[in-house]
Amino acid sequence: GAVVSQHPSRVICKSGTSVKIECRSLDFQATTMFWYRQFPKQSLMLMATSNEGSKATYEQGVEKDKFLINHASLTLSTLTVTSAHPEDSSFYICSARDPWDTTANYGYTFGSGTRLTVV
Amino acid sequence: DQQVKQNSPSLSVQEGRISILNCDYTNSMFDYFLWYKKYPAEGPTFLISISSIKDKNEDGRFTVFLNKSAKHLSLHIVPSQPGDSAVYFCAMGGGNKLTFGTGTQLKVEL
Repeated sequence: GAVVSQHPSRVICKSGTSVKIECRSLDFQATTMFWYRQFPKQSLMLMATSNEGSKATYEQGVEKDKFLINHASLTLSTLTVTSAHPEDSSFYICSARDPWDTTANYGYTFGSGTRLTVV
Repeated sequence: DQQVKQNSPSLSVQEGRISILNCDYTNSMFDYFLWYKKYPAEGPTFLISISSIKDKNEDGRFTVFLNKSAKHLSLHIVPSQPGDSAVYFCAMGGGNKLTFGTGTQLKVEL
């Protein structure tokens, strides 16, 4: 089945620094990738949708200058948290969609997530 | 504004019995509905889905029911097993986007 690799699985960074999270679709080309954020005991909140070769679409309330998303190829999207602060500490999950996947999951495959801790 | 709600944050069921997880939504434009199982610090794992044109879909121990008029989705797990203990999220799709519910923590006890 489709596999999405997300790296790193956990990262600790100092306040004020930037951190990059990678999301790769390993065996399919993903025209669309999604970035979610999950706070403890809460839902997965969609942050932004990125389409290969174009600017990401951010959800209401998400700062696009703080959460930079790049989708430079059909298999790679990156999320960069700029000037990180402790309130950015969270669990970030990416998802990639294979537009040709007609199986029951409607083409959505999720990465294993990244635990970001800002100290 | 939470479009998709799972009103039970937690559910405890005995092994072998039926687990019923519920999900209510407000947007009638959703085209497809999915259920995911999730462990802490992991990505969600797909379980089962249903199209908006159907009202029931079954896969092994898992059955999903859709009541469009009531805007209600449910997942039945029978028989429940201890390995089913996890957080379950419903998710709903329209176009190229998924909206997740608030999650239900299921605990299956021996």
